This record gives sequence, structure tokens and C-alpha cells, in this order.
Amino acid sequence: EADIYQTPRYLVIGTGKKITLECSQTMGHDKMYWYQQDPGMELHLIHYSYGVNSTEKGDLSSESTVSRIRTEHFPLTLESARPSHTSQYLCASSEEGGDYEQYFGPGTRLTVT
Amino acid sequence: KNQVEQSPQSLIILEGKNCTLQCNYTVSPFSNLRWYKQDTGRGPVSLTIMTFSENTKSNGRYTATLDADTKQSSLHITASQLSDSASYICVVSDRGSTLGRLYFGRGTQLTVWP
Repeated sequence: EADIYQTPRYLVIGTGKKITLECSQTMGHDKMYWYQQDPGMELHLIHYSYGVNSTEKGDLSSESTVSRIRTEHFPLTLESARPSHTSQYLCASSEEGGDYEQYFGPGTRLTVT
Repeated sequence: KNQVEQSPQSLIILEGKNCTLQCNYTVSPFSNLRWYKQDTGRGPVSLTIMTFSENTKSNGRYTATLDADTKQSSLHITASQLSDSASYICVVSDRGSTLGRLYFGRGTQLTVWP
């Protein structure tokens, strides 16, 4: 079992609310990632980070933002949630190197009503 | 365009039976290919990882094969168990960027019936 945690696991929230999805890892990994996954669909990379104070946008355009102030913490924020943001959000981390392993958290299932 | 295609989309088998899942990819330049298992409502967990020079890798009842020439991989599950019910995702990594971008298939949803 990987040491990467996400909270909350499930969140139902109304349109227009600000939300923050938490992700923490205790493996000391420099690289961290946020993916979005809809049912039956592939994972899409929305944000990643090479280390502290490094954040980049991924392949899939997202209205969310991320921050990386500490190595172990990579929160994702939606300033104003909309029904189109309803999805599963998965956080992952990895070491440096060629054949690195990405370890995934359990995910946050977000529903915006 | 880098893509990963998996088949079948879904599969139902009886407990104790074997099955094989397929993955075709067009990712280039190729770095490695991994199979992940994703239980419902959970994050993916790695089963196997294979580089260009490897053509088979086993992890218990899971055996993955790779043909880098035809860009095909398969995941064979022997003596299936109820706990094998999950989505199996083929993931290909390229070595064209410092990030080592991962390309995900949509997964094969496997259901094992008693």
C-alpha cells in the first residue's frame, strides 16, 4: 500500500462553492501529479509538480489550480465549483529516474450539484 | 498522436477461469509499459512494468507480455478469483520529455462471477 493520502474521499457540493482537495505523501517524492478520471474513461493529467514551488499544467485544460509549498503536500483548488467539475480526482507521486513508479492515492469523488 | 487502445472494453468470466486482456499503443518514443489494477473507487495499483528489452513479466497469477515491434501487450490472468474484479489499465510511458509522460488506456472492466 502506497503512502499517499487524499481527503476528502467523497464530496458533494453546490455550484459556486470554493473547494480544496488535499493530497499528501510520506515517501519524500519530488514529483507529484493530479489526474481527472470520468467513469469508463482514461486518466487525464491536469497538473504536475517537479518539486517545491514548481507547478505546471497538464494535458487536459482545467479551471483548478495547485500549489506546492511543501514536498509532501500538493493541494488542488477550485475557486467556483460547477457541475462540469463532477469527476474523480486522483493524486500521484513518483521518484526521479527512468523507470519510475507512480503511486496513486485513493482518489476524491467530487459531485457538484 | 500517442494513443493506447485496450480490448475488450469489458469481460465477464467465471471464477477459476483464465483470461487475456489486450493493449495496442502508438506511443513513441517508447520507454516502458505498465499494467495497473484499479478497484472501484480506488486509485490504480501497479501490477507489472516492462521496458523495451523485456517481453514477459509475471506477478503471481498475472503475466504480461510485450511485443515492441508490433506495439502490442497482453495481460494474462490465471485461475481468476473474485477479487480480480476490477478495471485493468494499460499505461505507456514515453521518453521524449523530462516528465516521462504517461499515456493511459480506458481500461478493461473485468468481472469475475462465482
